[in-house]
Amino acid sequence: GQQLNQSPQSMFIQEGEDVSMNCTSSSIFNTWLWYKQDPGEGPVLLIALYKAGELTSNGRLTAQFGITRKDSFLNISASIPSDVGIYFCAGTGKAAGNKLTFGGGTRVLVKP
Amino acid sequence: DAMVIQNPRYQVTQFGKPVTLSCSQTLNHNVMYWYQQKSSQAPKLLFHYYDKDFNNEADTPDNFQSRRPNTSFCFLDIRSPGLGDAAMYLCATSRDPARGYTFGSGTRLTVV
Repeated sequence: GQQLNQSPQSMFIQEGEDVSMNCTSSSIFNTWLWYKQDPGEGPVLLIALYKAGELTSNGRLTAQFGITRKDSFLNISASIPSDVGIYFCAGTGKAAGNKLTFGGGTRVLVKP
Repeated sequence: DAMVIQNPRYQVTQFGKPVTLSCSQTLNHNVMYWYQQKSSQAPKLLFHYYDKDFNNEADTPDNFQSRRPNTSFCFLDIRSPGLGDAAMYLCATSRDPARGYTFGSGTRLTVV
């Protein structure tokens, strides 16, 4: 079945830093979604991308839908402590019956 | 605010004792999903309803059942919970799966 490879698995951030994470797929997706999940909560949609090449921002977050339709990245600029959490990429595509396929998640932690 | 509401937020049940988790939505979305999420892993789809049509994932254990009495409500029944069923259970809804899903806050199930 379709798989999404998300990297890095975890990262430490220092306040003010820019951070980046990405997802790649072995097959084409029609939609890329980026979610953030705080401990004990459900995932919250951050950014949705619907067209190849699309670049979309939501405040300090920017995400792009790769031209090949097999990848996407998420950037967080000027990180703040509340950016800590788990970020999941997810995609839908015809090959998976339009069901949501998740990446393994990127755990963002604050540098001690 | 339109939303997806899961009750209860925390549920403790005894090994082997049937338990029901509930989900309601005010979004009037025709598709509803149940996911299981363990230990910061990616959510795993158990089943979904497209209107009244029930769709089970091939690897969902028979121990898990679902009911959708109307558009707004969906229930997850675990007939005989085992220790391995302890997890966060997430409900999600969608009007158009290709456009994204809205998740509830989840129910964390503990089996004792």
